[in-house]
Amino acid sequence: GAGVSQSPSNKVTEKGKDVELRCDPISGHTALYWYRQSLGQGLEFLIYFQGNSAPDKSGLPSDRFSAERTGGSVSTLTIQRTQQEDSAVYLCASSATGGAGYGYTFGSGTRLTVV
Amino acid sequence: AQSVTQLDSQVPVFEEAPVELRCNYSSSVSVYLFWYVQYPNQGLQLLLKYLSGSTLVKGINGFEAEFNKSQTSFHLRKPSVHISDTAEYFCAVLSRGATNKLIFGTGTLLAVQP
Repeated sequence: GAGVSQSPSNKVTEKGKDVELRCDPISGHTALYWYRQSLGQGLEFLIYFQGNSAPDKSGLPSDRFSAERTGGSVSTLTIQRTQQEDSAVYLCASSATGGAGYGYTFGSGTRLTVV
Repeated sequence: AQSVTQLDSQVPVFEEAPVELRCNYSSSVSVYLFWYVQYPNQGLQLLLKYLSGSTLVKGINGFEAEFNKSQTSFHLRKPSVHISDTAEYFCAVLSRGATNKLIFGTGTLLAVQP
């Protein structure tokens, strides 16, 4: 597609439920990133996929968080047993050939609210 | 480890006044540097970037930034701001050869007043 698409744009869930957030990167972009944006916290790196390489999961805050990328395209971020502190905007970005020097293209994000 | 510091969480400025948003970084290796802008309820948009060469880089919407290696800074400037420049601005750093992860600062809200 023309840009990075994320769905849903908003998600309200009850504490303890599982949620799945979807990211559809720009066609042909081999690198895909997930970030979390909390109020006053800036952007926190979560996970990075590059082609067929093993993902860099070093930013995932707990084992309740996981992500996969199927067929080198669409990615799903899953949060299990959601907690109130998981409330944030989850941003996905992609870049060409893993060269972040070209800059990322970001989606509009998914605003997650855990009640 | 690399890090980015944006000391100003909010910068109020009057329309048509100049503005500078400060960014300092820390890295043990040479870096790429970026500024992103986030308008309300939107994703981040690349404003400008420094990869190599001239230390003064120009971006969209009349913004420019200067890479200063000795001061490890990459401050963003605009000579005359507009109401439409009101947004959150994020500085980011990528350490060359180490990783493809951008590390972001906490952001600066530029609030342009009439």
